[in-house]
Amino acid sequence: AQTVTQSQPEMSVQEAETVTLSCTYDTSESDYYLFWYKQPPSRQMILVIRQEAYKQQNATENRFSVNFQKAAKSFSLKISDSQLGDAAMYFCAYKRDDKIIFGKGTRLHILP
Amino acid sequence: DAGVIQSPRHEVTEMGQEVTLRCKPISGHNSLFWYRQTMMRGLELLIYFNNNVPIDDSGMPEDRFSAKMPNASFSTLKIQPSEPRDSAVYFCASRFRGTDSGNTIYFGEGSWLTVV
Repeated sequence: AQTVTQSQPEMSVQEAETVTLSCTYDTSESDYYLFWYKQPPSRQMILVIRQEAYKQQNATENRFSVNFQKAAKSFSLKISDSQLGDAAMYFCAYKRDDKIIFGKGTRLHILP
Repeated sequence: DAGVIQSPRHEVTEMGQEVTLRCKPISGHNSLFWYRQTMMRGLELLIYFNNNVPIDDSGMPEDRFSAKMPNASFSTLKIQPSEPRDSAVYFCASRFRGTDSGNTIYFGEGSWLTVV
């Protein structure tokens, strides 16, 4: 069965600095999708970035980028120039066919 | 474009009462998902539908939970009778299945249920 592990329950970063959130997953499949979702205090789940496993190039969305290491089954999220509005829970997710499996999340604090 | 719309946003009910959560997926989407989020268990998939048909309900915790999707634009999740351990945030999500862009699911704002 597929699993998603986020080993950092909480992290803190100084405003304007860079932070990396870790995610590893377990699968025997070769074709799948990976996502990072952000959940601010409002509880809404917001898509941050996604990566197709068949693409070697790491996805980038403005200040957010990923480091996708397929062989290592690692999918980390880098946030550059951290802003106060980035404070939230971040969930890593794996998708194969119809199901999406989420990690337990990492709570990110931004220090002013 | 309107996103996934859920109601109610918040509900407080007494143990034993029936609770109905509602969801309107994004127009044109043909897959709908119900998730439950708790501190202890994180985000759990309860059930999902493709083209209004329930495909996998293995995540539904017990017979007190039921979900329906009578048409492409509406779904309900019902709990009867409710118990305090059902207190959670319930999310509805949808996607357009069958295209590459459909591999992303979009979430509603959630229904925060408290059973006292």
